[in-house]
Amino acid sequence: AQKVTQAQTEISVVEKEDVTLDCVYETRDTTYYLFWYKQPPSGELVFLIRRNSFDEQNEISGRYSWNFQKSTSSFNFTITASQVVDSAVYFCALTLNNAGNMLTFGGGTRLMVKP
Amino acid sequence: GAVVSQHPSWVICKSGTSVKIECRSLDFQATTMFWYRQFPKQSLMLMATSNEGSKATYEQGVEKDKFLINHASLTLSTLTVTSAHPEDSSFYICSARPYSRGNQPQHFGDGTRLSIL
Repeated sequence: AQKVTQAQTEISVVEKEDVTLDCVYETRDTTYYLFWYKQPPSGELVFLIRRNSFDEQNEISGRYSWNFQKSTSSFNFTITASQVVDSAVYFCALTLNNAGNMLTFGGGTRLMVKP
Repeated sequence: GAVVSQHPSWVICKSGTSVKIECRSLDFQATTMFWYRQFPKQSLMLMATSNEGSKATYEQGVEKDKFLINHASLTLSTLTVTSAHPEDSSFYICSARPYSRGNQPQHFGDGTRLSIL
Protein backbone atom coordinates (compact mmCIF):
# COMPACT_ATOMS: atom_id res chain seq x y z
CA ALA A 1 0.00 0.00 0.00
CA GLN A 2 1.06 3.53 -0.63
CA LYS A 3 1.37 6.24 1.94
CA VAL A 4 2.05 9.96 1.73
CA THR A 5 3.00 11.94 4.79
CA GLN A 6 2.98 15.69 5.14
CA ALA A 7 4.29 16.24 8.62
CA GLN A 8 3.53 19.96 8.67
CA THR A 9 -0.17 20.49 9.26
CA GLU A 10 0.04 24.27 9.36
CA ILE A 11 2.70 26.79 8.45
CA SER A 12 2.49 30.52 8.94
CA VAL A 13 4.91 32.91 7.28
CA VAL A 14 5.12 36.58 6.56
CA GLU A 15 4.90 37.74 2.99
CA LYS A 16 8.15 37.55 1.03
CA GLU A 17 9.53 34.78 3.17
CA ASP A 18 10.55 31.52 1.53
CA VAL A 19 8.73 28.42 2.72
CA THR A 20 9.26 24.71 2.13
CA LEU A 21 6.47 22.16 2.39
CA ASP A 22 7.66 18.66 3.11
CA CYS A 23 6.34 15.46 1.57
CA VAL A 24 7.53 11.94 2.29
CA TYR A 25 6.08 8.94 0.49
CA GLU A 26 6.11 5.17 0.80
CA THR A 27 5.62 2.67 -1.97
CA ARG A 28 7.10 -0.64 -2.99
CA ASP A 29 6.57 0.03 -6.66
CA THR A 30 9.42 1.30 -8.76
CA THR A 31 7.15 3.20 -11.13
CA TYR A 32 5.04 5.90 -9.61
CA TYR A 33 4.02 9.51 -10.03
CA LEU A 34 4.13 12.26 -7.47
CA PHE A 35 1.93 15.33 -7.50
CA TRP A 36 1.39 18.59 -5.72
CA TYR A 37 -2.02 20.23 -5.63
CA LYS A 38 -3.14 23.56 -4.23
CA GLN A 39 -6.57 23.88 -2.63
CA PRO A 40 -7.57 27.50 -2.03
CA PRO A 41 -10.49 28.33 0.30
CA SER A 42 -12.92 27.98 -2.58
CA GLY A 43 -12.20 24.26 -2.57
CA GLU A 44 -11.10 23.37 -6.06
CA LEU A 45 -7.90 21.43 -6.49
CA VAL A 46 -5.33 23.15 -8.64
CA PHE A 47 -2.74 20.93 -10.25
CA LEU A 48 0.79 22.23 -9.72
CA ILE A 49 3.19 19.53 -10.81
CA ARG A 50 3.62 15.87 -11.64
CA ARG A 51 6.91 14.02 -11.46
CA ASN A 52 7.52 10.40 -12.39
CA SER A 53 9.80 8.16 -10.40
CA PHE A 54 12.44 8.02 -13.10
CA ASP A 55 12.93 11.73 -13.31
CA GLU A 56 14.78 13.10 -10.32
CA GLN A 57 15.56 16.38 -11.95
CA ASN A 58 14.42 19.26 -9.81
CA GLU A 59 12.02 21.70 -11.34
CA ILE A 60 11.49 25.40 -11.05
CA SER A 61 8.41 27.25 -12.19
CA GLY A 62 8.45 30.90 -11.31
CA ARG A 63 8.43 31.18 -7.54
CA TYR A 64 7.76 27.47 -7.16
CA SER A 65 10.41 24.79 -7.04
CA TRP A 66 10.36 21.10 -6.27
CA ASN A 67 13.08 18.87 -4.88
CA PHE A 68 12.63 15.16 -5.61
CA GLN A 69 14.97 12.89 -3.67
CA LYS A 70 14.40 9.16 -4.19
CA SER A 71 17.08 8.33 -1.63
CA THR A 72 14.95 9.84 1.10
CA SER A 73 11.56 9.27 -0.58
CA SER A 74 10.83 12.95 -0.43
CA PHE A 75 9.26 15.41 -2.81
CA ASN A 76 9.47 18.81 -1.16
CA PHE A 77 7.91 21.99 -2.46
CA THR A 78 9.40 25.44 -1.95
CA ILE A 79 7.70 28.75 -2.52
CA THR A 80 10.12 31.63 -2.85
CA ALA A 81 9.08 35.14 -1.83
CA SER A 82 5.68 33.99 -0.66
CA GLN A 83 2.60 36.09 -1.31
CA VAL A 84 -0.75 36.33 0.41
CA VAL A 85 -2.36 34.62 -2.58
CA ASP A 86 -0.27 31.55 -1.84
CA SER A 87 -2.38 30.96 1.27
CA ALA A 88 -4.07 27.62 0.75
CA VAL A 89 -3.89 23.98 1.66
CA TYR A 90 -1.29 22.11 -0.31
CA PHE A 91 -1.54 18.39 -0.92
CA CYS A 92 1.16 16.00 -2.00
CA ALA A 93 -0.12 12.86 -3.71
CA LEU A 94 1.10 9.65 -5.28
CA THR A 95 -0.25 7.28 -7.89
CA LEU A 96 1.19 4.10 -9.32
CA ASN A 97 2.26 3.50 -12.91
CA ASN A 98 0.02 4.52 -15.73
CA ALA A 99 -3.08 2.47 -15.09
CA GLY A 100 -5.28 5.34 -14.04
CA ASN A 101 -4.92 4.36 -10.45
CA MET A 102 -6.37 6.53 -7.78
CA LEU A 103 -4.33 9.15 -6.01
CA THR A 104 -3.18 8.65 -2.47
CA PHE A 105 -3.12 12.02 -0.78
CA GLY A 106 -1.06 13.27 2.10
CA GLY A 107 -2.84 14.99 4.95
CA GLY A 108 -2.20 18.41 3.51
CA THR A 109 -0.32 21.45 4.78
CA ARG A 110 -2.24 24.63 5.45
CA LEU A 111 -0.07 27.58 4.49
CA MET A 112 -0.96 31.00 5.81
CA VAL A 113 0.94 33.93 4.36
CA LYS A 114 0.45 37.09 6.34
CA PRO A 115 0.95 40.54 4.85
CA GLY B 1 -6.83 22.29 -21.12
CA ALA B 2 -8.86 19.41 -19.79
CA VAL B 3 -11.87 20.51 -17.79
CA VAL B 4 -14.00 18.58 -15.35
CA SER B 5 -17.31 20.07 -14.36
CA GLN B 6 -19.06 19.12 -11.16
CA HIS B 7 -22.67 19.97 -10.43
CA PRO B 8 -24.11 21.17 -8.18
CA SER B 9 -21.41 23.08 -6.37
CA TRP B 10 -23.42 23.44 -3.16
CA VAL B 11 -26.39 21.50 -1.85
CA ILE B 12 -28.35 22.02 1.34
CA CYS B 13 -31.18 19.60 1.97
CA LYS B 14 -33.17 17.85 4.63
CA SER B 15 -32.20 14.59 6.23
CA GLY B 16 -33.59 11.64 4.31
CA THR B 17 -33.24 13.26 0.91
CA SER B 18 -31.28 11.60 -1.86
CA VAL B 19 -28.80 13.84 -3.60
CA LYS B 20 -27.23 13.31 -7.01
CA ILE B 21 -23.88 14.85 -7.92
CA GLU B 22 -22.71 14.93 -11.51
CA CYS B 23 -19.15 14.83 -12.75
CA ARG B 24 -18.58 15.62 -16.42
CA SER B 25 -15.45 15.69 -18.47
CA LEU B 26 -16.09 18.54 -20.86
CA ASP B 27 -13.43 18.18 -23.49
CA PHE B 28 -12.13 14.65 -23.14
CA GLN B 29 -13.33 11.12 -22.64
CA ALA B 30 -12.73 9.36 -19.37
CA THR B 31 -13.16 5.62 -18.92
CA THR B 32 -12.25 6.06 -15.28
CA MET B 33 -13.43 8.67 -12.82
CA PHE B 34 -12.75 8.86 -9.12
CA TRP B 35 -14.88 10.09 -6.27
CA TYR B 36 -13.25 11.57 -3.20
CA ARG B 37 -14.64 12.82 0.07
CA GLN B 38 -13.06 15.52 2.17
CA PHE B 39 -14.09 16.39 5.70
CA PRO B 40 -13.27 19.87 7.01
CA LYS B 41 -9.55 20.40 7.48
CA GLN B 42 -8.80 16.87 6.40
CA SER B 43 -7.31 15.23 3.36
CA LEU B 44 -9.11 13.72 0.41
CA MET B 45 -10.13 10.13 0.86
CA LEU B 46 -10.96 7.99 -2.13
CA MET B 47 -14.48 6.62 -1.97
CA ALA B 48 -14.73 4.72 -5.21
CA THR B 49 -13.42 4.28 -8.71
CA SER B 50 -16.06 4.70 -11.37
CA ASN B 51 -15.60 2.65 -14.53
CA GLU B 52 -17.56 3.37 -17.68
CA GLY B 53 -19.92 0.56 -18.49
CA SER B 54 -19.21 -1.49 -15.40
CA LYS B 55 -19.72 -1.46 -11.67
CA ALA B 56 -17.80 0.94 -9.52
CA THR B 57 -15.06 -0.27 -7.23
CA TYR B 58 -15.59 0.92 -3.69
CA GLU B 59 -12.94 1.45 -1.08
CA GLN B 60 -13.12 -0.41 2.17
CA GLY B 61 -15.65 1.07 4.54
CA VAL B 62 -17.66 2.87 1.86
CA GLU B 63 -21.24 1.64 1.65
CA LYS B 64 -22.09 0.95 -1.96
CA ASP B 65 -25.82 1.04 -1.26
CA LYS B 66 -25.42 4.42 0.36
CA PHE B 67 -23.26 5.97 -2.32
CA LEU B 68 -24.56 4.87 -5.70
CA ILE B 69 -22.25 5.47 -8.62
CA ASN B 70 -23.24 5.35 -12.24
CA HIS B 71 -20.82 5.87 -15.13
CA ALA B 72 -23.08 5.54 -18.12
CA SER B 73 -20.96 7.36 -20.65
CA LEU B 74 -17.36 8.31 -21.29
CA THR B 75 -18.02 11.83 -20.10
CA LEU B 76 -20.37 11.47 -17.16
CA SER B 77 -20.28 9.83 -13.76
CA THR B 78 -22.86 10.42 -11.06
CA LEU B 79 -22.71 9.92 -7.33
CA THR B 80 -26.02 9.60 -5.52
CA VAL B 81 -26.04 9.90 -1.76
CA THR B 82 -29.15 7.98 -0.81
CA SER B 83 -31.23 8.95 2.21
CA ALA B 84 -28.62 11.46 3.27
CA HIS B 85 -28.07 12.19 6.93
CA PRO B 86 -26.09 14.93 8.69
CA GLU B 87 -23.02 12.70 8.95
CA ASP B 88 -22.93 12.59 5.14
CA SER B 89 -22.27 16.32 5.08
CA SER B 90 -18.93 16.75 3.42
CA PHE B 91 -17.08 18.06 0.39
CA TYR B 92 -17.23 15.62 -2.48
CA ILE B 93 -14.73 15.91 -5.33
CA CYS B 94 -14.53 13.95 -8.52
CA SER B 95 -11.62 13.52 -10.85
CA ALA B 96 -11.25 12.11 -14.33
CA ARG B 97 -8.33 10.77 -16.23
CA PRO B 98 -8.29 11.34 -19.97
CA TYR B 99 -8.72 8.22 -22.03
CA SER B 100 -5.68 8.38 -24.23
CA ARG B 101 -2.21 7.08 -24.49
CA GLY B 102 0.42 8.66 -22.41
CA ASN B 103 0.59 9.68 -18.84
CA GLN B 104 -2.28 12.04 -18.45
CA PRO B 105 -2.78 13.40 -14.94
CA GLN B 106 -6.17 13.35 -13.30
CA HIS B 107 -8.23 16.48 -13.60
CA PHE B 108 -10.43 17.49 -10.69
CA GLY B 109 -13.86 19.02 -10.56
CA ASP B 110 -14.49 22.04 -8.36
CA GLY B 111 -16.18 19.93 -5.72
CA THR B 112 -19.66 19.78 -4.22
CA ARG B 113 -20.36 20.96 -0.70
CA LEU B 114 -23.14 18.83 0.72
CA SER B 115 -24.89 20.02 3.86
CA ILE B 116 -27.59 17.84 5.36
CA LEU B 117 -29.85 19.50 7.91
